[in-house]
Amino acid sequence: GDSVTQMEGPVTLSEEAFLTINCTYTATGYPSLFWYVQYPGEGLQLLLKATKADDKGSNKGFEATYRKETTSFHLEKGSVQVSDSAVYFCALRRTAGAGSYQLTFGKGTKLSVIP
Amino acid sequence: EAQVTQNPRYLITVTGKKLTVTCSQNMNHEYMSWYRQDPGLGLRQIYYSMNVEATDKGDVPEGYKVSRKEKRNFPLILESPSPNQTSLYFCASSPGQGGYEQYFGPGTRLTVT
Repeated sequence: GDSVTQMEGPVTLSEEAFLTINCTYTATGYPSLFWYVQYPGEGLQLLLKATKADDKGSNKGFEATYRKETTSFHLEKGSVQVSDSAVYFCALRRTAGAGSYQLTFGKGTKLSVIP
Repeated sequence: EAQVTQNPRYLITVTGKKLTVTCSQNMNHEYMSWYRQDPGLGLRQIYYSMNVEATDKGDVPEGYKVSRKEKRNFPLILESPSPNQTSLYFCASSPGQGGYEQYFGPGTRLTVT
C-alpha cells in the first residue's frame, strides 16, 4: 500500500537557521504530495502542495519539490522563525481510484525554534 | 468564513457509553473524512464519504460508524467506546479527489476511561 516516511523529530533549531525535513513516499502511479502544518492546539493547515513531477510548492518561505526519480518531497526553509515551531506532516493522495479519497500521512516531525 | 467545525472539542466518557462527535462544513464540499491522530502513528483515516449517502471504510474503521444524510454534516458515532479509542479526532472536507487539499476541523480530544 501507499506509505510516507519522514524524518522523525524532534528537531530543534536556532532562529534564522536553515531547515530541511526529509520526506519520501511509496505509491502507485503519480500521487499528489502535500505538506501540512499543525500549530499547538490547532488542526492541520495546508502549507504547500505539488501535483506532478518537478512541481515546486511554496508558501510562507517554505519550499518543496516533487522529485519522482527519488520519490521525495523534502521541505526546506532558508531562515526559520520562532513562529514556525509546529508539527509538520508530509502526505500523499492518489489522483484517481479509491486512494484519491484519503490522505496518507507520515508520522510528523516536531520542530522547535529557539530565539 | 469557510470552515470545518467539530463538537465537542473535548470529551471524557466511560467505556460503553455511546457518543457522537459532530462535524459540519460550510464550503459545499462533496468529500468528507474522519481521521484519528495518535502519538507516533500520525493520522489515520477512519471513514470517508464521497457524497450524501455514500460512505466507505478507511484504514481503521473498527468500532466506529458514520452517516452522511446531508452534504454539510458527517457525524462520527462510537456505539460502545473503549479505552483504545482515546485519541485526537479530526474531521476534514475537500472539494474533490486527488490534488485537491483537505480542510481540517480543530479536532476533538476524546478520553475513554
